[in-house]
Amino acid sequence: DAGITQSPRYKITETGRQVTLMCHQTWSHSYMFWYRQDLGHGLRLIYYSAAADITDKGEVPDGYVVSRSKTENFPLTLESATRSQTSVYFCASLRGTGYGYTFGSGTRLTVV
Amino acid sequence: TQLLEQSPQFLSIQEGENLTVYCNSSSVFSSLQWYRQEPGEGPVLLVTVVTGGEVKKLKRLTFQFGDARKDSSLHITAAQPGDTGLYLCAGVSTNAGKSTFGDGTTLTVKP
Repeated sequence: DAGITQSPRYKITETGRQVTLMCHQTWSHSYMFWYRQDLGHGLRLIYYSAAADITDKGEVPDGYVVSRSKTENFPLTLESATRSQTSVYFCASLRGTGYGYTFGSGTRLTVV
Repeated sequence: TQLLEQSPQFLSIQEGENLTVYCNSSSVFSSLQWYRQEPGEGPVLLVTVVTGGEVKKLKRLTFQFGDARKDSSLHITAAQPGDTGLYLCAGVSTNAGKSTFGDGTTLTVKP
């Protein structure tokens, strides 16, 4: 089925390790986004991309890196995981301005 | 930074009751969206309101966009247990389609 697939669904990692969260869309939506969701903070934008090879920082980008070599993929890398990065991460795509986001099912990341 | 404040943060009601959730900002948005999120899943778009003063109805849900496009409300009539979830509003700016999300309202409807 068409949609956004995030992997893994659950991940436990140790402090200091590098972790990559994957996001794949089956459409060709130009815009893709990474949000983190924490109790008391709602959804906060980490990075977004307007097209392949075009990325920009969101509200909370520190400690994260993104790439977008292909339109359908938008991986998020935590270069050196910290406990404060324990969260639920959502990837989303946007067909265009005036449309709503389509979210993936999320990745629950725990950093111990 | 554009901020959206949602109220109430938590709401627990009995089946059949009516409720209203509010989303307020000091900023003007080009449009405002409402999402519903169930545990373990991503938010799902319910509606987008674009024009100041606009009212949209989705079965028992009524959405209104303020005249100045700074605030919105979601009214649910005769709530049902299936309405239980986290309701999020999101203000859309014209900048690259980015949205600012409110912190959400957690609704519990008891049978």
